[in-house]
Amino acid sequence: QVQLQESGPGLVKPSQTLSLTCTVSGGSISSGSYYWSWIRQPAGKGLEWIGRIYTSGSTNYNPSLKSRVTISVDTSKNQFSLKLSSVTAADTAVYYCARVVWVGGYPDYWGQGTLVTVSS
Amino acid sequence: SYVLTQPPSVSVAPGKTARITCGGNNIGSKSVHWYQQKPGQAPVLVIYYDSDRPSGIPERFSGSNSGNTATLTISRVEAGDEADYYCQVWDSSSEGVFGGGTKLTVL
Repeated sequence: QVQLQESGPGLVKPSQTLSLTCTVSGGSISSGSYYWSWIRQPAGKGLEWIGRIYTSGSTNYNPSLKSRVTISVDTSKNQFSLKLSSVTAADTAVYYCARVVWVGGYPDYWGQGTLVTVSS
Repeated sequence: SYVLTQPPSVSVAPGKTARITCGGNNIGSKSVHWYQQKPGQAPVLVIYYDSDRPSGIPERFSGSNSGNTATLTISRVEAGDEADYYCQVWDSSSEGVFGGGTKLTVL
């Protein structure tokens, strides 16, 4: 069974860069049938798609976040990462990593989520 | 960008049927996926490709999609079904798109 686990700082200062890593276990991140994505959820609000990466390194981002987001992959470590620059309080949220089925574009496995708070 | 519209809340008595809608422009031409999220937990996929159920999801959960509305139907609702439910589609311009979520309350 595939498992995903987010890790990274829980507190980031405004204007700085948020950095998170997702470690995948129980399966290879290099499987050709999946994308790997980041999704976030502010407290009490809905889910927001951040972006996705394929193991080739090809990426696609939410247009509303595109200028600030970078997603990368390290297949040797079975990990992928998120960087979100110039953060503000509006970026405070639970951040989830997820495996996305290539055909259909839906997350079938999710990490447990990690809360990132932007505050000085 | 593509927008999905869900009612904020739906209430249903135990044993009855709950229907949660997800509206979008010509959503019937897209594949719709549904997630259940309980407080403090990650979302769980309950329906994919409009009406398919992952293993482990009860048959009480079903889905349909036509025209401008997709629907998640939960039959014989139980107290444990109380949760937030989100619909999701893949849009070529907007990437992954989620509806705003519907809080299901079991009376």
